[in-house]
Amino acid sequence: QSVLTQPPSVSGAPGQRVTISCTGSSSNIGAGYNVHWYQQLPGTAPKLLIYINNNRPSGVPDRFSGSKSGTSASLAITGLQAEDEADYYCQSYDSSLIGSVFGGGTKLTVL
Amino acid sequence: EGQLVESGGGLAQPGRSLRLSCAASGFTFDDYAMHWVRQVPGKGLEWVSGISWNSGSTVYVDSVKGRFTISRDNVQNSLHLQMNSLTPEDTALYYCAKDSSILPGEALDVWGQGTMVTVSS
Repeated sequence: QSVLTQPPSVSGAPGQRVTISCTGSSSNIGAGYNVHWYQQLPGTAPKLLIYINNNRPSGVPDRFSGSKSGTSASLAITGLQAEDEADYYCQSYDSSLIGSVFGGGTKLTVL
Repeated sequence: EGQLVESGGGLAQPGRSLRLSCAASGFTFDDYAMHWVRQVPGKGLEWVSGISWNSGSTVYVDSVKGRFTISRDNVQNSLHLQMNSLTPEDTALYYCAKDSSILPGEALDVWGQGTMVTVSS
């Protein structure tokens, strides 16, 4: 059981918008710690997608956006493309565990 | 942007030890915290350990405390993970990752390709 809770899977048709939630608690997201998102394509290492809640590294399309409110965060992907099919993970810091924590991951399927 | 290359993985018997290494290049190594993250094939990511820029702070997931030791060499630009008393539950692909801050706990913006550790008799 991960400290940060994500839906196991989401799906959408090309061109649609999907969101992936990441629910934490008062010792991580709710305590004000930043949330970061990663994309892991099949057979590859994770890649930073969103940092500090809603910032995109250079090269990440603006179709990807992040938000945070209370004890939760969300990743939104608009204009869904086949190449977006991947696993997505949220990450934050937990003051009770004194370390970083990942969500369980969400598999995005493009229909 | 930076590059990380892990080494040292392999097959180990339960109770034995392995030492993982990560060679860093393309960025100022001692300006950033570093981490180890593992992933059982087909499963999710699990953060294992982090170390601050100057080795002054080290943190571990509970399941490896007392068994694993993270260290770094800022002259050789390398990160290490000494893994003792290995159990089958430690079997995973181990990634080396660069933090975007001097202290562990922020975004991991550079990742290696991973080194596989298999613990089995």
